[in-house]
Amino acid sequence: DAKTTQPTSMDCAEGRAANLPCNHSTISGNEYVYWYRQIHSQGPQYIIHGLKNNETNEMASLIITEDRKSSTLILPHATLRDTAVYYCIRSGSARQLTFGSGTQLTVLP
Amino acid sequence: DVKVTQSSRYLVKRTGEKVFLECVQDMDHENMFWYRQDPGLGLRLIYFSYDVKMKEKGDIPEGYSVSREKKERFSLILESASTNQTSMYLCASRLLASGSHNEQFFGPGTRLTVL
Repeated sequence: DAKTTQPTSMDCAEGRAANLPCNHSTISGNEYVYWYRQIHSQGPQYIIHGLKNNETNEMASLIITEDRKSSTLILPHATLRDTAVYYCIRSGSARQLTFGSGTQLTVLP
Repeated sequence: DVKVTQSSRYLVKRTGEKVFLECVQDMDHENMFWYRQDPGLGLRLIYFSYDVKMKEKGDIPEGYSVSREKKERFSLILESASTNQTSMYLCASRLLASGSHNEQFFGPGTRLTVL
C-alpha cells in the first residue's frame, strides 16, 4: 500500500519560513499532491496543490521533487495563526480525500 | 470566497433520536461531501453527492442517509442516533469532479454528542 509520511510535529519561530516536508512511498503519474491544514476545532482548509511543477499562491509555495515522491510546503513568513495540523494528500481520484495524521506545526512567538 | 456553513457547531442528542445535520454552500458547487473525524482515525467519507438528487455511499455509510434536493444544500440524517456516532461531522463542497481539481472547501464542523 502506498504510504505518505510526514513528521508528527514541528516548531517554527514567528516571522520565519516554515518548511513542511512530505514523502510518498509511491505516487502515480495522474496523482496530484494537495496540502490542507486544520486549525484546532475548525474544518480543514485547502492551501495549494501541484502535479510536478512548483506552485505558489497567496498562502504558500509548494516544491515537488522531480521523482514526485517528496514535496515541501513553504509558509514564507509564519504567524501565530498558522499554528495548525498540516496534511499532505495524494489525489488522483475524483471522489474523496484521504487525510493521514499530518504534521502539527506550532509557531512560537 | 467559498462559504460552506453547517447548521450547528455543537449538538447533543439522545440515543434513538433522529438527527438532521444541514450543510449549505454558496458557490454553485456540483459536488458535496459528508465526513466524520475521530481521533486516530482521520477523516472518513460517509456520503458523497455529485449532483442534485444523486448520492454515493462512502466508506462508512451504515446508520446514515443523505438528501440533496437543491444544489446548495446537502443534509446528513442519522435515522436512530447511537453513542458510536458521537463525532465531529464535516461537510465539504467541490466545484466539479476532477482529480486535478480536488480542492474541497470545508464547513466549520458540527460536534455531535449522543448520550
